[in-house]
Amino acid sequence: DTAVSQTPKYLVTQMGNDKSIKCEQNLGHDTMYWYKQDSKKFLKIMFSYNNKELIINETVPNRFSPKSPDKAHLNLHINSLELGDSAVYFCASSQVSGSATDTQYFGPGTRLTVL
Amino acid sequence: AQSVTQLGSHVSVSEGALVLLRCNYSSSVPPYLFWYVQYPNQGLQLLLKYTTGATLVKGINGFEAEFKKSETSFHLTKPSAHMSDAAEYFCAVSDLPLTGGGNKLTFGTGTQLKVEL
Repeated sequence: DTAVSQTPKYLVTQMGNDKSIKCEQNLGHDTMYWYKQDSKKFLKIMFSYNNKELIINETVPNRFSPKSPDKAHLNLHINSLELGDSAVYFCASSQVSGSATDTQYFGPGTRLTVL
Repeated sequence: AQSVTQLGSHVSVSEGALVLLRCNYSSSVPPYLFWYVQYPNQGLQLLLKYTTGATLVKGINGFEAEFKKSETSFHLTKPSAHMSDAAEYFCAVSDLPLTGGGNKLTFGTGTQLKVEL
């Protein structure tokens, strides 16, 4: 059983298009995250949601809009795609314990290529 | 602000040799430290984490790491490398829990481990 799943795995699109990436976790976790991994493998958090509420927005352009229909899902919609958006996007989730020690469980990633 | 520095973006070892991947952190409060591994074309998987208590932490696949506050380090080691250990390794730090839930991981730039016959 896949704990954190993402679709699609690969996404190739033209500049200016709008696209969405879906994420689902079946771990019963309260918090979900989106990370961006650039071509140099640097990972940076973009957003986190706790039970459908936005917790972190790390100065991400407003072309990126996360949507959480329920606590098991956190989708990422990107408007007006730019070349610089090409990256691997990872979804993650964690069970909130009230401390900073929570383990985050990562999905397999979505490789976005903008042409 | 918290940060992590991983020395050496690429490390190459022979199969059976000691693996040492270096991580130094900066944090204004006692940190919580994590090591994640990323196999090719896969997501990240937790190897081990330091929270409180014993400073030598054992993880999966024979890896361990030691928290040294005086050196602000959390180096990852494995006594004997295996071909299957070839992967990208990320050190991460978390300090305060977030208001509203969850925690914020700050990752290092990663170390690519290559294991040669």
